[in-house]
Amino acid sequence: SQQGEEDPQALSIQEGENATMNCSYKTSINNLQWYRQNSGRGLVHLILIRSNEREKHSGRLRVTLDTSKKSSSLLITASRAADTASYFCATPSYGGATNKLIFGTGTLLAVQP
Amino acid sequence: GAGVSQSPSNKVTEKGKDVELRCDPISGHTALYWYRQSLGQGLEFLIYFQGNSAPDKSGLPSDRFSAERTGGSVSTLTIQRTQQEDSAVYLCASSHPSGSVPYNEQFFGPGTRLTVL
Repeated sequence: SQQGEEDPQALSIQEGENATMNCSYKTSINNLQWYRQNSGRGLVHLILIRSNEREKHSGRLRVTLDTSKKSSSLLITASRAADTASYFCATPSYGGATNKLIFGTGTLLAVQP
Repeated sequence: GAGVSQSPSNKVTEKGKDVELRCDPISGHTALYWYRQSLGQGLEFLIYFQGNSAPDKSGLPSDRFSAERTGGSVSTLTIQRTQQEDSAVYLCASSHPSGSVPYNEQFFGPGTRLTVL
């Protein structure tokens, strides 16, 4: 399976704390994307980091990418209860004409108020 | 609305019945994808449409699954003779590949939750 893996599978923190999620993938990539999913429904794109980038910021989100280790991390700073969701990393399929995304297994984040 | 829409939002059917799920992508997006998410599982790619090119059906789990995209816009995913293992959330996404950035972000619809009794 090409599916990536994320850890931890579940994370529970208090509001105001930082949350870090890690993602590992298996193939060479053009970019890596992070998505959030609330209540098992639609996904929302959070951030995209290209293979030639090592770190990227967007608001309270910080993403790092280490292509030598085929891994990425998502840091959410000063977490809020509204950040409670599942977080998935995704990498586009490499080569060919299909731009399908290969998703990781996800991290379920619970932020306690 | 400017987002991807899907209908119905929920569908309950009996084993053996056929179902049709609909996806309206964002206007102007040339690429459309279907994914499936089973309970507690990650997202699984099903099928990809890009413009007038032949679709990539490599993710369809069996010949009971088919999809079409009419006029380069709306897509329907059809599951024939549904089985209980087809129960899942079916997600549609669209994107607009362009220029030197072919792997743009995908915009997801809210999904259709299918329950096969």
